[in-house]
Amino acid sequence: EDKVVQSPLSLVVHEGDTVTLNCSYEVTNFRSLLWYKQEKKAPTFLFMLTSSGIEKKSGRLSSILDKKELFSILNITATQTGDSAIYLCAALHSGGYNKLIFGAGTRLAVHP
Amino acid sequence: SQTIHQWPATLVQPVGSPLSLECTVEGTSNPNLYWYRQAAGRGLQLLFYSVGIGQISSEVPQNLSASRPQDRQFILSSKKLLLSDSGFYLCAWSGQANTEAFFGQGTRLTVV
Repeated sequence: EDKVVQSPLSLVVHEGDTVTLNCSYEVTNFRSLLWYKQEKKAPTFLFMLTSSGIEKKSGRLSSILDKKELFSILNITATQTGDSAIYLCAALHSGGYNKLIFGAGTRLAVHP
Repeated sequence: SQTIHQWPATLVQPVGSPLSLECTVEGTSNPNLYWYRQAAGRGLQLLFYSVGIGQISSEVPQNLSASRPQDRQFILSSKKLLLSDSGFYLCAWSGQANTEAFFGQGTRLTVV
């Protein structure tokens, strides 16, 4: 059975800290790994990773995929209170349509 | 640019009543469309997906059904709601190829 596991499930840090969120996957016909940020309602897209070892970066956020060990990490440096959200990891399964298999998410709380 | 609209934002319905949630996409044609449900503290679970008008596939057996009467319209329905149908429902769209999915704002459904 396809599955995506995220850790930790929740995390509390102070502004300025650096955090690393983990995502491991076991998915048949794996194509890509996606990260989303969910603050209140709609998850918003952060990154899509298809190739192993190539870091994607957007401001203070960065992510990398290891297709040999079947995991990805999302790093956030110099955290701000606005980074508080649920971070969702999803594996894109290729089977004629873009099926996303989501992990349970990591709830990040950044305190001033 | 593409936008996705989902309504209503919140809904409180009695057990046994019917349900109709609507989702429309603008700015793209022939999208893949999805309905997800998010239970508290859990990731998103794919309920239905559609690759074209009238083409619906279900991922999990349930009390709900979906329809796609037009290219950019996706409807989630139930004839008789159960308490277990309560949750946060998200509509999403993606392109036909290996691309990320974009989410609507969601509908929080409470069945009482």
